[in-house]
Amino acid sequence: QITLKESGPTLVKPTQTLTLTCTFSGFSLTTSGVGVGWIRQPPGKALEWLALIYWDDDNRYSPSLKSRLTSTKDTSKNQVVLTMTNMDPSDTATYYCAHRHTSAWYYFDYWGQGTLVTVSS
Amino acid sequence: DIRLTQSPSSLSASVGDRVTITCRASQSIDKYLNWYQQKPGQAPKVLIYAASSLQSGVPSRFSGSGSGTDFTLSVSSLQPEDFATYYCQQSYISPLTFGGGTKVEIK
Repeated sequence: QITLKESGPTLVKPTQTLTLTCTFSGFSLTTSGVGVGWIRQPPGKALEWLALIYWDDDNRYSPSLKSRLTSTKDTSKNQVVLTMTNMDPSDTATYYCAHRHTSAWYYFDYWGQGTLVTVSS
Repeated sequence: DIRLTQSPSSLSASVGDRVTITCRASQSIDKYLNWYQQKPGQAPKVLIYAASSLQSGVPSRFSGSGSGTDFTLSVSSLQPEDFATYYCQQSYISPLTFGGGTKVEIK
């Protein structure tokens, strides 16, 4: 059974760096085709894709946020880490990590519960 | 980036109604279109992938169709647990993008 869970600070100050960890089970990021994505959702708004990291260390980022995002993996811990620099109040959102289905259809079939991050001084 | 436009943005319907939501892509995305359902306080859940394939465990009252730029999600007979917000997502090309959502409310 695949599960994912996000963890990290609930409150960050403007200009600070956010570090979120996605801890997962039920799959391995060493297996060909596997990927873990990050998606966020500001309160009352739509979903926004942020990043996707693959088993082979290939990383894809949202172009609008690419300069601020870094995604890494620790296969020994079954974790993916997302860092976002220079946080702004507009980055207040629930952040989700999700397992990318291994087919070519690139959909997210398992999601974490999400973690709400508030950016405020 | 490929823009996905969902319509309507919200709708009111009764239990038993047939509901249809549309998603239009700003360019052709073949069949790389997925649908998610999100209930308040919960993570999204995939319903349909590849435009028309039903995800395992999803009730058969949900169906998807379309290819190219125009897609639809239909619910044949709305159930109380179907009142939620629905999002389309394209996986044809990076960056992955989502539609703005359609909120289905009780009439």
